[in-house]
Amino acid sequence: KAGVTQTPRYLIKTRGQQVTLSCSPISGHRSVSWYQQTPGQGLQFLFEYFSETQRNKGNFPGRFSGRQFSNSRSEMNVSTLELGDSALYLCASSVGPGNEQYFGPGTRLTVT
Amino acid sequence: GQSLEQPSEVTAVEGAIVQINCTYQTSGFYGLSWYQQHDGGAPTFLSYNALDGLEETGRFSSFLSRSDSYGYLLLQELQMKDSASYFCPHNGRGPRFGAGTRLTVKP
Repeated sequence: KAGVTQTPRYLIKTRGQQVTLSCSPISGHRSVSWYQQTPGQGLQFLFEYFSETQRNKGNFPGRFSGRQFSNSRSEMNVSTLELGDSALYLCASSVGPGNEQYFGPGTRLTVT
Repeated sequence: GQSLEQPSEVTAVEGAIVQINCTYQTSGFYGLSWYQQHDGGAPTFLSYNALDGLEETGRFSSFLSRSDSYGYLLLQELQMKDSASYFCPHNGRGPRFGAGTRLTVKP
């Protein structure tokens, strides 16, 4: 069974631009969560989706948004990028909310 | 509100036993998980406690006390490869991982 895939793996953007990251969960998994990881801050929770519905949202500004499609694939969007948005963005999928999560390799976003 | 507390760093020697504590505060608690993340890698699942008590998986054991909002991960016979960050996300109102505990195993 293929693991969680994230695209792109690396991305360089400039301040003010927007970016869309994609996550394909493991087949059969309907729950997808997104995290931002920066040195010293650990894994900060962004959102959790299940069956195309956002179940929970972390404490991030409205510039961060996401969605989930009917095939469980998910995207997250960051608008008006700031230097502080530079981070590793991890996506994790699970059978359902609260179940063991399987992480993708992440997308390394650099904002210049 | 929600909170999660773990020690930021723990150091131990090879072959020793180490315990990483985790206290949490949340509404709608469903269980406490433990994940391991090596530098440059993605987090991987170690264990899950939904009920009070001890769960053992090889060299690793995880404990939960829901009445105390407390859990711990016990690593026995430490090996160099155990050097990593360890997270204890709870599953209330969305998984919360926090900053984790950086474990360094020395020879």
